[in-house]
Amino acid sequence: KAGVTQTPRYLIKTRGQQVTLSCSPISGHRSVSWYQQTPGQGLQFLFEYFSETQRNKGNFPGRFSGRQFSNSRSEMNVSTLELGDSALYLCASSLYTGTDTQYFGPGTRLTVL
Amino acid sequence: SQQGEEDPQALSIQEGENATMNCSYKTSINNLQWYRQNSGRGLVHLILIRSNEREKHSGRLRVTLDTSKKSSSLLITASRAADTASYFCATDETSGSRLTFGEGTQLTVNP
Repeated sequence: KAGVTQTPRYLIKTRGQQVTLSCSPISGHRSVSWYQQTPGQGLQFLFEYFSETQRNKGNFPGRFSGRQFSNSRSEMNVSTLELGDSALYLCASSLYTGTDTQYFGPGTRLTVL
Repeated sequence: SQQGEEDPQALSIQEGENATMNCSYKTSINNLQWYRQNSGRGLVHLILIRSNEREKHSGRLRVTLDTSKKSSSLLITASRAADTASYFCATDETSGSRLTFGEGTQLTVNP
């Protein structure tokens, strides 16, 4: 089976812009989780989607949003970008829940200038 | 917030030596997982140990879990340069519905 794919792999934006990141889970996996990784904060949970519904949400401002499509593919959006949003954004898929074994994509490296 | 705290933060050893990393957590868990991350890449699942298990092996990996001390350790035996990576523990809290990752241990294996 193909692994989790994320696009784009690298992104440079300026403050105030918005960005959309995409994640395609492993075929058959219905749960998709998003994480933000920074040197200072480590791996922080953003949200989890299952069957097109947001099932869990981390402690991030409303500028961070996401959605899941009927084919389990997921997107996350960050509006009004801030310098502090520079991070590696990781998507992970699992069979059913966000606590099952997570299969991670390679990540999207976002740089906000 | 981080549930798991890894110790040490960084570890440097020679090829062939064993590497031990520790993870402590604060609340009751269903299971604890270990992941590995090569620099700037996605995480790779290594092993899952359930709360009713005390030890688990997978190849050169040995994981122990002590729920009374709320701690786990990951032992990598006969390390190789290719084991150089960051290692994270992740807990599935009984009161939660998501994985909570620790801050990681950066392991460097020198050839």
